[in-house]
Amino acid sequence: AQSVSQHNHHVILSEAASLELGCNYSYGGTVNLFWYVQYPGQHLQLLLKYFSGDPLVKGIKGFEAEFIKSKFSFNLRKPSVQWSDTAEYFCAVLGGYNKLIFGAGTRLAVHP
Amino acid sequence: DGGITQSPKYLFRKEGQNVTLSCEQNLNHDAMYWYRQDPGQGLRLIYYSQIVNDFQKGDIAEGYSVSREKKESFPLTVTSAQKNPTAFYLCASSIDIGPHYGYTFGSGTRLTVV
Repeated sequence: AQSVSQHNHHVILSEAASLELGCNYSYGGTVNLFWYVQYPGQHLQLLLKYFSGDPLVKGIKGFEAEFIKSKFSFNLRKPSVQWSDTAEYFCAVLGGYNKLIFGAGTRLAVHP
Repeated sequence: DGGITQSPKYLFRKEGQNVTLSCEQNLNHDAMYWYRQDPGQGLRLIYYSQIVNDFQKGDIAEGYSVSREKKESFPLTVTSAQKNPTAFYLCASSIDIGPHYGYTFGSGTRLTVV
C-alpha cells in the first residue's frame, strides 16, 4: 500500500537550531516526493519537490531535502531555524492517478 | 491572480443537514481534489476528478458527494450520512498530464457540526 510516515508529530526548537524532519514513504512506482508547509492561518504551500536527478533538493526559505532511495526517505532539513518557521510540515508522495498521499504532519514550534 | 477559492471560510451545520462546500479555480487545471484535514492525521483524500463529468472516490468517500459539471468548479457535499463531519476541508487542483508540479491548495473551509 502507498503510505507516508512522518516520525515526529511535534518538534520544539530554539532559534538558530538545526532542523531535520523525518519522512519515509512506501510506493512501488516512480517516486515523486514533496514537502508542503502550512503556516498558521494560511494555505498549504509547496516547499520543495523531487522528481529525478540530484537527490539533494533545495527549496524556498533555506530548506532542503535529501532523497535516499535505499532508505525510502526524504528528510527535510534547515541549518538554522527562525521563529517564522513555526508551522506544520507535510511530506507527500505522488501515487497512482496523480494522487498526493500525505503524511500525518509535523508541528514545528520555534522559540525566540 | 490565478488561484483556488474556497467558500465559506467557516460553516456551521446542524446534525442531520447536508451542506455544500464551494471550490472554484481559475488556473485551467484539469484535476481537482478534496482533502479532509484532522489533527494528527494529515490530509486524507475524499474525492478527486481528473476531467469534467468524471470523478473518483478517494480513501474516505463515505458520507460525501461531489460533482464536476464545469472545469473550474468542484463542489463537495457533506451529507447527513457522514458520521464525524467536523473538520477542516481543503480543495486542490493540478495539471493532470506531463511533469507534475504538485498541487495548488485553497485556503480551506472549517466545518463544525453543532
